[in-house]
Amino acid sequence: SAVISQKPSRDICQRGTSLTIQCQVDSQVTMMFWYRQQPGQSLTLIATANQGSEATYESGFVIDKFPISRPNLTFSTLTVSNMSPEDSSIYLCSVPVEGDYNEQFFGPGTRLTVL
Amino acid sequence: DAKTTQPPSMDCAEGRAANLPCNHSTISGNEYVYWYRQIHSQGPQYIIHGLKNNETNEMASLIITEDRKSSTLILPHATLRDTAVYYCIVRVADGSARQLTFGSGTQLTVLP
Repeated sequence: SAVISQKPSRDICQRGTSLTIQCQVDSQVTMMFWYRQQPGQSLTLIATANQGSEATYESGFVIDKFPISRPNLTFSTLTVSNMSPEDSSIYLCSVPVEGDYNEQFFGPGTRLTVL
Repeated sequence: DAKTTQPPSMDCAEGRAANLPCNHSTISGNEYVYWYRQIHSQGPQYIIHGLKNNETNEMASLIITEDRKSSTLILPHATLRDTAVYYCIVRVADGSARQLTFGSGTQLTVLP
C-alpha cells in the first residue's frame, strides 16, 4: 500500500491569488494523478504528473491555470493560479499501485475555499 | 472506458446486508469492474474489482452477472462507518497505470 499526504489540508484564499498544493508519497511511483472534486460532485481528473516530463492535462484544464511540478518519484505539486470562487473544490492526488495498477491510492485531499 | 449507471442513493439498516447495483451494459470483454468508496471528507478508497467471476475480500463481495452487463457490490453486515458514496467504475486492466473515471456514484446511508 501507499501512504499519501497532502498539504495544506484546507485553505481559504482570496480571489486572484494562487495556492500550491503538495502531495507526498511514502514510496516511489511512476505516475501521479491530480483530481478535482467540486462541491457535491464526483471526481474529475485534472492531469497526470510524470517525473521528468511535462504533465498531461485533460480537456478543460490548462497548464497556465493548474501548473504541476514533479521533481522526483515521491513528490508533486499542483498550483491553482489566479483563483476565483469557481475554483473552490477539494483537490486530491492519487497514485496507482506499482506493478499492479488495479488499485489506486488517494490522498486525503485539500479543501480550498476561494472568497 | 464503459459508462456505468448507479442509483443516486440507498439506505440500509445497520447490521443488514447492503446491496449496491451497477449497470454497465456497454462493458467490453477486457474491462474490469472496480468499486471504490468515498467517506465524507476523505479520499476515495479501493474496495474490490473483478472481471467475470464473483469476488470476495475482507471488505465486500462483488457479484457480476453472467453477461457482465451489471454487477452488485455486497457489504454483508453494514455498519454506520460504511456510510459513503460508492463508485462503480469500469476500465481496462492492461497493466498500464491509467486514471479512474468517476461517475456520480451511490450515496449509501446506513441507518441505526
